[in-house]
Amino acid sequence: GNSVTQMEGPVTLSEEAFLTINCTYTATGYPSLFWYVQYPGEGLQLLLKATKADDKGSNKGFEATYRKETTSFHLEKGSVQVSDSAVYFCALSAYSSASKIIFGSGTRLSIRP
Amino acid sequence: SAVISQKPSRDICQRGTSLTIQCQVDSQVTMMFWYRQQPGQSLTLIATANQGSEATYESGFVIDKFPISRPNLTFSTLTVSNMSPEDSSIYLCSVEVGRARDDNYGYTFGSGTRLTVV
Repeated sequence: GNSVTQMEGPVTLSEEAFLTINCTYTATGYPSLFWYVQYPGEGLQLLLKATKADDKGSNKGFEATYRKETTSFHLEKGSVQVSDSAVYFCALSAYSSASKIIFGSGTRLSIRP
Repeated sequence: SAVISQKPSRDICQRGTSLTIQCQVDSQVTMMFWYRQQPGQSLTLIATANQGSEATYESGFVIDKFPISRPNLTFSTLTVSNMSPEDSSIYLCSVEVGRARDDNYGYTFGSGTRLTVV
């Protein structure tokens, strides 16, 4: 079946460090891929997405590229800020699965000043 | 994209009672999804609700415990029945927006209902 595997957390970095959160997926066909973010005490927000191979999603300095050859969608940011502290979820939607969106386990990110 | 109003935002309930969570969407949508997020965990799909038909439940979730209504294309409710402390979670509704591969394609989530059962 379809699944998403993402980097175990928690991840702790210093401000202005480079961030990578790994995400790989298993799916039939060509799913859409998403990164969602959940700030402390808040709901789920779409951070970025990519709907076809080689697309790059970007938002708020974060980027992720849809790599079909490696079935990956790693999240990166060149210089993190304290305000980026949150839980990040990688997710996919495979059109053959009744439009369900499937989430990874989430990665908690903490940024030290 | 769609905007979802979910309520209540939080509640503290006695064990054995039931709580009904509501989601109102500002546009008509075919399917609505209900998720549970247990403390420190990811989101798990409870069921998919189509207007005019019974909801489709995922493995491990049953209608008697989580009855769902979908009376029209903009509204749905999820009831958590006969609650126990193990039901303490965040419950979220979601809708699919746009058509696959369109620029506006994606999923919008309600702000969540934080439920504590004591």
